[in-house]
Amino acid sequence: EVQLVQSGGGLAKPGRSLRLSCAASGFIVGDHGMSWVRQAPGKGLEWVGFIRSKAYGGTIENAASVKGRFTLSRDDSKGIAYLQMDNLKIEDTAVYFCARERTGYSSSGSDFWGQGALVTVSS
Amino acid sequence: QSLLTQPPSVSGAPGQGVTISCTGSSSNIGAGYNVHWYQQLPGTVPKLLIYDTQNRPSGVPDRFSGSKSGPSASLAITGLQAEDEADYYCQSYDTSLRGVVFGGGTKLTVL
Repeated sequence: EVQLVQSGGGLAKPGRSLRLSCAASGFIVGDHGMSWVRQAPGKGLEWVGFIRSKAYGGTIENAASVKGRFTLSRDDSKGIAYLQMDNLKIEDTAVYFCARERTGYSSSGSDFWGQGALVTVSS
Repeated sequence: QSLLTQPPSVSGAPGQGVTISCTGSSSNIGAGYNVHWYQQLPGTVPKLLIYDTQNRPSGVPDRFSGSKSGPSASLAITGLQAEDEADYYCQSYDTSLRGVVFGGGTKLTVL
């Protein structure tokens, strides 16, 4: 059974850092791209970024709103994807989802999702 | 404001059909990039409903179908059921942003 279990998140002050983890099981993690999507309270889905599989270079693309502050990474040997969030802003407050891409490339459709992790940025 | 425009809401009676549009531009849907659709039931995680414009993942009823024409895509739902009441999002890739874009979402109400 494919599962994505998220951990991390919580409350942080503006300018501080948090790291989210996404532990995958039930599939060969290295074969798939991994995406991060967030949803602010009462709002729609917003793409944060994705990291391609190693077969496609493991390259990363980020949304402009987080570029230079958020870093995506993956450890295929452990089956974990990470979202390192630095210099957090109040507008980063949202539920953050990790999601498996159908293929190793990108934007092929996210077919399995983590349960979400709430990140609240407040002074 | 999203680069993919969806109507904020649509509604239909049980058994009827509705269509949700997703209007893009020459830098995303019109450039030939695939469109994916997600269903988000209240308080739950998004679920992939349609991928690559018109394909259904295993387990998704054939009441849901997707199509594309020019810079726009559509999600059609036939035989509406109460459990279809949810938010629906389209998604594509945008070459000018060099990233993924979501539509603003459409709330479906089953009357």
